[in-house]
Amino acid sequence: GAGVSQTPSNKVTEKGKYVELRCDPISGHTALYWYRQSLGQGPEFLIYFQGTGAADDSGLPNDRFFAVRPEGSVSTLKIQRTERGDSAVYLCASSSPGQDYEQYFGPGTRLTVT
Amino acid sequence: ELKVEQNPLFLSMQEGKNYTIYCNYSTTSDRLYWYRQDPGKSLESLFVLLSNGAVKQEGRLMASLDTKARLSTLHITAAVHDLSATYFCAVGYSGSRLTFGEGTQLTVNP
Repeated sequence: GAGVSQTPSNKVTEKGKYVELRCDPISGHTALYWYRQSLGQGPEFLIYFQGTGAADDSGLPNDRFFAVRPEGSVSTLKIQRTERGDSAVYLCASSSPGQDYEQYFGPGTRLTVT
Repeated sequence: ELKVEQNPLFLSMQEGKNYTIYCNYSTTSDRLYWYRQDPGKSLESLFVLLSNGAVKQEGRLMASLDTKARLSTLHITAAVHDLSATYFCAVGYSGSRLTFGEGTQLTVNP
């Protein structure tokens, strides 16, 4: 079956603009995770969902960042008033209890704020 | 706060040689992952280690876990150029967030 997909693959935006990043998890996976990876660093946790609800959003850096998963499948990460420091690769992963919650990662969205 | 440390961060080795990457973590967890990342690509899962003393092997890579020492190792045997990549360990609990190390950038030279 298909893996985790993310759109767009690349996004360039101007400082102060609003962006939405989309994640389509593996079909049937109940858990969905967002991470952010800066150049030369390991991925940093942002938020994860079990079903429709955010089970842990403690990694969101500030209130400009918000994520939703209204139907328990696709998720959107929303960033308001983007700043140059938001430039990074945003990774999405999904997992399933039937696969012991092993996290499968998507290809990422490279966000560049100019 | 869970912290994960890897060493070395950079590793340059010759083909045919053996080496070990170390991953230390600061608090208990119930699983440890090793991932591979090629430049510009996403993360590929290599191993999931769930219990003390777990050892898994795939090709030239072998991973082990010592939960008492909070230490995992990734051993490379007779390295080949195709193993050049960045390797991450990540620690967490089932269904929950993962905390990643900084990564070890491995370069295997002919």
